[in-house]
Amino acid sequence: EPEVTQTPSHQVTQMGQEVILRCVPISNHLYFYWYRQILGQKVEFLVSFYNNEISEKSEIFDDQFSVERPDGSNFTLKIRSTKLEDSAMYFCASSPTEGLMGAKNIQYFGAGTRLSVL
Amino acid sequence: DQQVKQNSPSLSVQEGRISILNCDYTNSMFDYFLWYKKYPAEGPTFLISISSIKDKNEDGRFTVFLNKSAKHLSLHIVPSQPGDSAVYFCAASALGNQFYFGTGTSLTVIP
Repeated sequence: EPEVTQTPSHQVTQMGQEVILRCVPISNHLYFYWYRQILGQKVEFLVSFYNNEISEKSEIFDDQFSVERPDGSNFTLKIRSTKLEDSAMYFCASSPTEGLMGAKNIQYFGAGTRLSVL
Repeated sequence: DQQVKQNSPSLSVQEGRISILNCDYTNSMFDYFLWYKKYPAEGPTFLISISSIKDKNEDGRFTVFLNKSAKHLSLHIVPSQPGDSAVYFCAASALGNQFYFGTGTSLTVIP
């Protein structure tokens, strides 16, 4: 069964360093997402991406964050200068094209990357 | 900003009995709802969905009920099995693709 894969599973970085989290969405999906979950808190939407541009982003997704689809398979989240409060699980998700009549599509999640900022 | 709330952080149920997980939301624009199941060290796995044009959707042992006037949805699992033990998240979206998640309910099914 196709799945979303994320690497690495755990990333440790020093505060102020840049970090890139990588995701390979399901191959025929066209919508891509990043979410994060701080320990003990809810899963929070960061950004959605379609047709090589951001379609929605949350207040969390500030100038320190960027996303990119550098080739036909990868989808990356970059944090330019990490802060302690960026420590969280980061989930990538993908979904097929949005259905007709505004019908929504299910988002399929990867296993996540645990980011630890020291 | 708690647009989606799951007020029960945990629930324990005997195997074979019904599990009922509840979710409340505040945004009347939400029109699509998903339930996800999450095991430790894994990402959320889609379980079942419902759109606002329906009040019930059933898939095997899983049924989701939507009460739009009360802004409430619930997931029923019957009969519950030990393998159902996981954290369950409800998620809701309005016109866009952004989903708002609840904080999750940890279900333990006791053999």
